[in-house]
Order: sequence, then structure tokens, then C-alpha cells
Amino acid sequence: GQNIDQPTEMTATEGAIVQINCTYQTSGFNGLFWYQQHAGEAPTFLSYNVLDGLEEKGRFSSFLSRSKGYSYLLLKELQMKDSASYLCAAMDSNYQLIWGAGTKLIIKP
Amino acid sequence: GAVVSQHPSRVICKSGTSVKIECRSLDFQATTMFWYRQFPKKSLMLMATSNEGSKATYEQGVEKDKFLINHASLTLSTLTVTSAHPEDSSFYICSAYLRDRGQFSYEQYFGPGTRLTVT
Repeated sequence: GQNIDQPTEMTATEGAIVQINCTYQTSGFNGLFWYQQHAGEAPTFLSYNVLDGLEEKGRFSSFLSRSKGYSYLLLKELQMKDSASYLCAAMDSNYQLIWGAGTKLIIKP
Repeated sequence: GAVVSQHPSRVICKSGTSVKIECRSLDFQATTMFWYRQFPKKSLMLMATSNEGSKATYEQGVEKDKFLINHASLTLSTLTVTSAHPEDSSFYICSAYLRDRGQFSYEQYFGPGTRLTVT
């Protein structure tokens, strides 16, 4: 079956770095997405990886290893506004997104 | 970036009534739109894929007669929750792929969501 695993909750300190991991199993693979979702709001796009390696975009970076079925989202210089849920989603061979349950990130001062 | 709107943002209705939620792509054409529901502290659950000019494709376990989807134009899809019950209370979110002026992206642009409460 198709499956996405990511931690349920993580806590980090303002100004620090945090890495949110995601493993996936899908029927075929057409890329890995990361979305940010604040409570009561819709998800917003953060990154898309389809090739192995690290993609850096400001304070956020995303890494993909297709052979390991593994991705991570790296957040640097954490700010209080980064407190949110981070959703990992893999696109299967039918271009359907398979969503993880999300990782709730709590930032402490 | 591409903008997707939803209306209404919040709705409270009585059990047994029907509620229509609109999803619009404001600055691009969307031949395909997606409808999700999300329970508190849970991930997105895909309900159906809405295709312009044809019938929607429903996910397993989603009642097509209860959740009516119409995608009559390239910029509008509607979800009607018929004979709503309290268990239908949820956060409903639509999304669309960007297809505009030759651009195509697998990134889904999400509407702001509709909070439905059935009393």
C-alpha cells in the first residue's frame, strides 16, 4: 500500500535549526512536496523535489533520496511564526498526492 | 502566484439541509480541482477530483450522492453537501493545479478552506 510517515510533533527553540523527516512508499513516484499549514488555515506550498539532493530556498531547505524513499525539511533561524504543521506529500504514478498526517512544530522562545 | 478562493469561509447549517461551497481559480484556468476534508489535528483526506466538463472521480468511501461536485467552467468547481449531518462538520479545502498560458505545475494551490458546522 501507499504510506507516508512523519513525526507527529516536534519542539524547537527560536533561532535554532530543526529537521523534519518524512519517509514514503508509493506506487511510482513523481515528486515530494512539503506544505506549511497554520491552524485553521489551508496549506501553503514550501517545496517540491523530484531529483535527489538538497534544494535551498531561504531559511527552508528540502532534501530527497529516492533510493531510500526519504525526505527532510530543514528550517534554519527559527522564528515564532514558523510554529505550524508541516505536511509531507508524495506524488504517485497517477499524479495523485499521498499525504502524511503532518508534523506539528512548536517553537519556544 | 496563483490564487484560489473559496466561499463561504464559514457556514453553520441545520441537520438535513444542503450546503454549497464554491471554489474559484481567480487568475488561472483549472481543468482539474481537488476537494479535501480535514478533521482537527488530522491530515488532508482527498474526497474527489473534479474535472471540468466531466464527472468527478470520487475516492473510495466517499458517497457521490451526498457530496455532489460540479465543475462547470475552467474557473469554478462546487461541492454540495446534501442532507448534512453533524458528522459532516469539518474543514473542507479545494485545490487546483496551475495550468495557464502554457505553464503547468504539479504544485497544488489551495483555497483558504470552508469551516462547516452542522447543528
